[in-house]
Amino acid sequence: EVQLVESGGGLVQPGASLKLSCVASGFTFSDYWMSWVRQTPGKTMEWIGDIKYDGSYTNYAPSLKNRFTISRDNAKSTLYLQMSNVRSEDTATYYCTRGHQWGQGVMVTVSS
Amino acid sequence: DIVLTQAPLSVSVTPGESASISCRSSKSLLSSKGITSLYWYLQRPGKSPQLLIYQMSNLASGVPDRFSSSGSETDFTLKISKVETEDVGVYYCGHRLEYPRTFGGGTKLELK
Repeated sequence: EVQLVESGGGLVQPGASLKLSCVASGFTFSDYWMSWVRQTPGKTMEWIGDIKYDGSYTNYAPSLKNRFTISRDNAKSTLYLQMSNVRSEDTATYYCTRGHQWGQGVMVTVSS
Repeated sequence: DIVLTQAPLSVSVTPGESASISCRSSKSLLSSKGITSLYWYLQRPGKSPQLLIYQMSNLASGVPDRFSSSGSETDFTLKISKVETEDVGVYYCGHRLEYPRTFGGGTKLELK
């Protein structure tokens, strides 16, 4: 069974950095592109970006590419999202996805 | 970016009746490979989104055949026949034609 478990969320101050993790199991992680998607409190769904199975290529939403970085460690079957200079509008639930399968999500709240 | 516009914002349905949700794309979602890159997801209350329909009209594994989808290159309709309690939630359309991936704003289905 495919499992995607996100962690690393919480309350963070504006301007700070935060790194989310997603541990994958139930499939060969290094065979798949992986993605991050976020959902705002108002339920808007926003695709953040994805990363090639070997980590050699990434794509980002244009509005986020200067602050967010996606990476992976295939040896640990783990996907990462590094968020920098966070803003209040980054408050959301962040999902790790493999194709059309989603993790349970992790909440990030940006507030002073 | 491709803009996906869903309508209505919410729909209230009597159990056993049918419901339809529309998704309109700002650009044709027909790929050069002849695949229409339109997907439908359901997010039940408190849960992660799950895939219902892929490539416009194909039912995802385990999804009851009460769900169906059709459309053209830019206009799509998700139909739910004989609505049940478990169908309550927010429905999203999304595409994977190009980068960035985008989603519709969501349609909330409630029971009368």
